[in-house]
Amino acid sequence: QQQVKQSPQSLIVQKGGISIINCAYENTAFDYFPWYQQFPGKGPALLIAIRPDVSEKKEGRFTISFNKSAKQFSLHIMDSQPGDSATYFCAAPGGSSNTGKLIFGQGTTLQVKP
Amino acid sequence: NAGVTQTPKFRILKIGQSMTLQCTQDMNHNYMYWYRQDPGMGLKLIYYSVGAGITDKGEVPNGYNVSRSTTEDFPLRLELAAPSQTSVYFCASSYLGDRGGYTFGSGTRLTVV
Repeated sequence: QQQVKQSPQSLIVQKGGISIINCAYENTAFDYFPWYQQFPGKGPALLIAIRPDVSEKKEGRFTISFNKSAKQFSLHIMDSQPGDSATYFCAAPGGSSNTGKLIFGQGTTLQVKP
Repeated sequence: NAGVTQTPKFRILKIGQSMTLQCTQDMNHNYMYWYRQDPGMGLKLIYYSVGAGITDKGEVPNGYNVSRSTTEDFPLRLELAAPSQTSVYFCASSYLGDRGGYTFGSGTRLTVV
């Protein structure tokens, strides 16, 4: 079974700090790596995604860094805010492209302290 | 535009009972998915569909069944509920498939006692 390994499982950051979450994936034939954000009692929502023809993608305070040779990618949250407190999931494509399946990491629970 | 709608939001089942989790999307997405979420385990794919009439198993299909008679609906059937099926179930849909732009429903929290 293809796996995506995500770390850390939980993270506590002070307001204004940088939150960093890492993911490692196994071989995949397709290149699209999204991050999802989930608040308690809600479904996950797409936060940011990258295609590895670039090594970095930035959207506001959120940045994905990608290392294709190492099969790793990470999410950086700059100037972390209490409203960023949520669970974050990385994902990688699983299977062939006409299925659109995603394999998710185990999730990281982020708490940003005021 | 409601997105992905799941019903019910909560349900308690007794061991051996059966039920259907409903999922409807109004975005005309071809791809639909059922995931279950357990604490510390992430999201595990149960079944998926690439279009009406086409379904296939994911990572953890045992104890579940699906059907896809229309583009909009993708119900998940639990037969002979077991405590191991206690979980939060999420339905998702996607237009572009492997580009990962899933829209998730708000989930169904199921407890089997």
